[in-house]
Amino acid sequence: EAGVVQSPRYKIIEKKQPVAFWCNPISGHNTLYWYLQNLGQGPELLIRYENEEAVDDSQLPKDRFSAERLKGVDSTLKIQPAELGDSAVYLCASSLGERNEQYFGPGTRLTVT
Amino acid sequence: QKEVEQNSGPLSVPEGAIASLNCTYSDRGSQSFFWYRQYSGKSPELIMFIYSNGDKEDGRFTAQLNKASQYVSLLIRDSQPSDSATYLCAFFSGGYQKVTFGIGTKLQVIP
Repeated sequence: EAGVVQSPRYKIIEKKQPVAFWCNPISGHNTLYWYLQNLGQGPELLIRYENEEAVDDSQLPKDRFSAERLKGVDSTLKIQPAELGDSAVYLCASSLGERNEQYFGPGTRLTVT
Repeated sequence: QKEVEQNSGPLSVPEGAIASLNCTYSDRGSQSFFWYRQYSGKSPELIMFIYSNGDKEDGRFTAQLNKASQYVSLLIRDSQPSDSATYLCAFFSGGYQKVTFGIGTKLQVIP
């Protein structure tokens, strides 16, 4: 069974530029998560989807971040415009049902210069 | 009070010893508990989950949950250098409907 797929793996952009990350969850997993992880910290939830619905986006900075999960499968997270403080690893995870055993993708390491 | 407390370490143990990693949480509504292993530069990998009080064993790993004390631990027996990583504890809160992660404990197994 294929795991969670993310792309790109690395991205370097200048501040004020836009950037997008893509995630394809494990087949059949209805719940998809986007996390942000800074060095030395645990993952912090940005948004959680149940199928197509964003059920928890309370920690998503909506002035610059947006996300979508069309058709309830893969998802895109966008930042526009990027700021220096957005440099971090962006992780996508998925789970099946309500047990919340989450499986992570490899992540995208974003560097904003 | 932080939702989850973990000692960031590093915790150093000699090869072959038992490594004991601990985590406390504040939300009494927590229902599910997880341990993730994260190697440097890699993403977290789920290694254990536990839902009921008591012990759960899987190979060299044992997860222990005490809901009354709001405490979860991970024991790694016969520690190997390949176990050197950061171990993240996490819990699912039924009240908040979300999973919260600790900052992780860095484990170093010395050959």
